[in-house]
Amino acid sequence: QKEVEQDPGPLSVPEGAIVSLNCTYSNSAFQYFMWYRQYSRKGPELLMYTYSSGNKEDGRFTAQVDKSSKYISLFIRDSQPSDSATYLCAMSTSYDKVIFGPGTSLSVIP
Amino acid sequence: GAVVSQHPSRVICKSGTSVKIECRSLDFQATTMFWYRQFPKQSLMLMATSNEGSKATYEQGVEKDKFLINHASLTLSTLTVTSAHPEDSSFYICSARATEAFFGQGTRLTVV
Repeated sequence: QKEVEQDPGPLSVPEGAIVSLNCTYSNSAFQYFMWYRQYSRKGPELLMYTYSSGNKEDGRFTAQVDKSSKYISLFIRDSQPSDSATYLCAMSTSYDKVIFGPGTSLSVIP
Repeated sequence: GAVVSQHPSRVICKSGTSVKIECRSLDFQATTMFWYRQFPKQSLMLMATSNEGSKATYEQGVEKDKFLINHASLTLSTLTVTSAHPEDSSFYICSARATEAFFGQGTRLTVV
């Protein structure tokens, strides 16, 4: 079993839709959870950062962490064509190496 | 958010030569930096953890003599790909952590 699992997609939605991206993980010691957006040929850009369980909202983005289920989500409201990218979930146990999911490719169609 | 600068963004080199990639944390000190490699349409694979003032810790399967890492200061880590071969062609990305992890822009290495 991989440490972090994520549906690679591709996921295609119409502009304005709500997008739900998810990851599951196996290591219960993970405490730091991150979502990154990566455009083609660019480095990952941090979108959301959450410590332990709970929800966090930033503009159109909401991150949720459910440690009891080992499940994290990223919601994008009012999706825009500029949101088209690969979204990577990532997590770590402490100030240590970050483990990434394989990424979900998202296309928002105008 | 914090800024991590990586240079160069793109490099083409001949087989057998060495290439150095620099990673700098511009507005915070990073005792630990990380180097990743990413193949097309795949996720980031950790290559090594770079510790300031000490030897890097390499992941299993990564050749430490081929991928030389130096972390000379709290704001600079370098990755040198020695005797590069076409199979080393890839996208290399560095990362530095405050609490969250921030990434450089990546370096596209093409070995011809």
